[in-house]
Amino acid sequence: AQSVTQLGSHVSVSEGALVLLRCNYSSSVPPYLFWYVQYPNQGLQLLLKYTTGATLVKGINGFEAEFKKSETSFHLTKPSAHMSDAAEYFCAVSVPTGRRALTFGSGTRLQVQP
Amino acid sequence: DGGITQSPKYLFRKEGQNVTLSCEQNLNHDAMYWYRQDPGQGLRLIYYSQIVNDFQKGDIAEGYSVSREKKESFPLTVTSAQKNPTAFYLCASSPDRTAQNTEAFFGQGTRLTVV
Repeated sequence: AQSVTQLGSHVSVSEGALVLLRCNYSSSVPPYLFWYVQYPNQGLQLLLKYTTGATLVKGINGFEAEFKKSETSFHLTKPSAHMSDAAEYFCAVSVPTGRRALTFGSGTRLQVQP
Repeated sequence: DGGITQSPKYLFRKEGQNVTLSCEQNLNHDAMYWYRQDPGQGLRLIYYSQIVNDFQKGDIAEGYSVSREKKESFPLTVTSAQKNPTAFYLCASSPDRTAQNTEAFFGQGTRLTVV
């Protein structure tokens, strides 16, 4: 079965600094990978996804992620953090032959310091 | 506007009572899902449905039940058998039940508290 590990339950950065949120996956077949963002007491919003093709994926709000098969990783980055980026971020995986539902990581809470 | 509506936003339940959480979507999506969210544990899948009148257990189905009598509705009942029901519950839908590369769209959630 597929799984996702998010390293670091809390990440704190200064406004304007690089954001790096880590996600590693486990899958016996090529996966589909997703990043979602959640603001307090709200649902999840899709930031970006990787299915096939280009391994560098650009999403909304200036975020991007790179699929690295050799490292089984799909880390989320943003060059310059903004106060409005403070939220919880979830990495998720699905596979072509598996259960037709997303499997989520435990989440990373991003704090942005002024 | 198209979307997923969960109601109520906040729900309080006494121990030993069953309670039903509503989830309605007008996106014409085939697949629907229920997830439970607890601090530090991410989202865990309770039940999912790929088509009307059919649903499958997820990873933590014990103490929960669902129905899918209409395409747009997927209510979740938290029964008295669920020992620790206090959590944030999220409903989601996806347009294509056959394509795992399709993202899920989420409702705003229901926060259930046992009092």
